[in-house]
Amino acid sequence: EAEVAQSPRYKITEKSQAVAFWCDPISGHATLYWYRQILGQGPELLVQFQDESVVDDSQLPKDRFSAERLKGVDSTLKIQPAELGDSAMYLCASSVDRGRTEAFFGQGTRLTVV
Amino acid sequence: QKEVEQDPGPLSVPEGAIVSLNCTYSNSAFQYFMWYRQYSRKGPELLMYTYSSGNKEDGRFTAQVDKSSKYISLFIRDSQPSDSATYLCAMRGGSYIPTFGRGTSLIVHP
Repeated sequence: EAEVAQSPRYKITEKSQAVAFWCDPISGHATLYWYRQILGQGPELLVQFQDESVVDDSQLPKDRFSAERLKGVDSTLKIQPAELGDSAMYLCASSVDRGRTEAFFGQGTRLTVV
Repeated sequence: QKEVEQDPGPLSVPEGAIVSLNCTYSNSAFQYFMWYRQYSRKGPELLMYTYSSGNKEDGRFTAQVDKSSKYISLFIRDSQPSDSATYLCAMRGGSYIPTFGRGTSLIVHP
């Protein structure tokens, strides 16, 4: 069964360091999402791609966060510098296209900033 | 006030009980309504989605949408310990940006 792959599963980093997360969506899925989920809260959208283009990044803290999907397939989310408040689960999801309701999530990367 | 409100629970029920999970929302533009199940330390898994008002059934799960009241529900019949998880409602309108509730923690005890 096709899955959204994310790595690493867990990451511990020190405050002010750079950290990166990788996501490989289901093959053929044009839309890719990055979410942040704080413990006890629902996922919050950080950025949405349609193919290689960003279609929404209104909630992305652009002073420290960046995201790219250069060839319209896999994607990287970067934080530099990391802050204590960035500790959360970072989830990647994909769907066939923006109009489709069914989005499939990866297992997430749990980030702890110390 | 958040756009989507969901009681975090926990909701504890005995095995075999009928479970009712609910969300309210304020944005009348929402048209698509989804329910996700999330096990501890895992990503959310889509259970069901509905468009506009009405009911949808899939096995032991039934989703209901009442747009006039801005209220959605997920019912689980014959609940099992394996149903113990956090249930997230999500919804979106024409913007393609889904908004999630904070999730309800469900515990089904044998």
